[in-house]
Amino acid sequence: DIQMTQSPSSLSASLGDRVTITCRASQSIYSYLNWYQQKPGKAPKLLIYAASSLQSGVPSRFSGSGSGTDFTLTISTLQPEDFATYYCQQSHTSLTFGGGTKVEIK
Amino acid sequence: EVQLLESGGGLVQPGGSLRLSCTASGFTFSSYAMNWVRQAPGKGLDWVSAITGGSGGSTYYADSVKGRFTISRDNSKNILYLQMNSLRAEDTAVYYCAKAIAAYSSSSDVWGQGTTVTVS
Repeated sequence: DIQMTQSPSSLSASLGDRVTITCRASQSIYSYLNWYQQKPGKAPKLLIYAASSLQSGVPSRFSGSGSGTDFTLTISTLQPEDFATYYCQQSHTSLTFGGGTKVEIK
Repeated sequence: EVQLLESGGGLVQPGGSLRLSCTASGFTFSSYAMNWVRQAPGKGLDWVSAITGGSGGSTYYADSVKGRFTISRDNSKNILYLQMNSLRAEDTAVYYCAKAIAAYSSSSDVWGQGTTVTVS
């Protein structure tokens, strides 16, 4: 099974900060990587698919990069509505989510 | 408007069965892969099962539910199902159905509100 490891598991940031979340796969998943945002009590929301493709309607301050085993989600300028938990998901072999990264207000 | 509405959750004893339904509207249901994803209380997301769209209908399962859960779809009624048998306490979670962005994709762009399954 492919394991997905996100880091950090949580972070504190201020409005306007640049935030970077990392996801590492236990083996190469090429670009079969999605990023989701989830707010408390709500369903997840797709942000990025195929490692770097921005889902329609998602603000351009969100971006994804990487291939193989190492991937990054970047929020260029943190906005109030961005405080949430972020998950990566691989789809190369079966489907696996990372453990999540909670972005909190500093 | 594209919508997914789950139903069928509830309280069930260990070893029991439950069937979840997900009614889709606002898109050509048969053309898209569909997924079930669950989230245990206070935990992260856990993929459960997927079924492809188009002329496929291939099914896939997480190891943790293989042999106990069955995913299916009725394209004439726009309904996705998850038959859950031999339920265990660790199956307790909110279960979400999610629409993929294509027939053979796993990227899920539309999610339901979730239905709660409690095994106790």
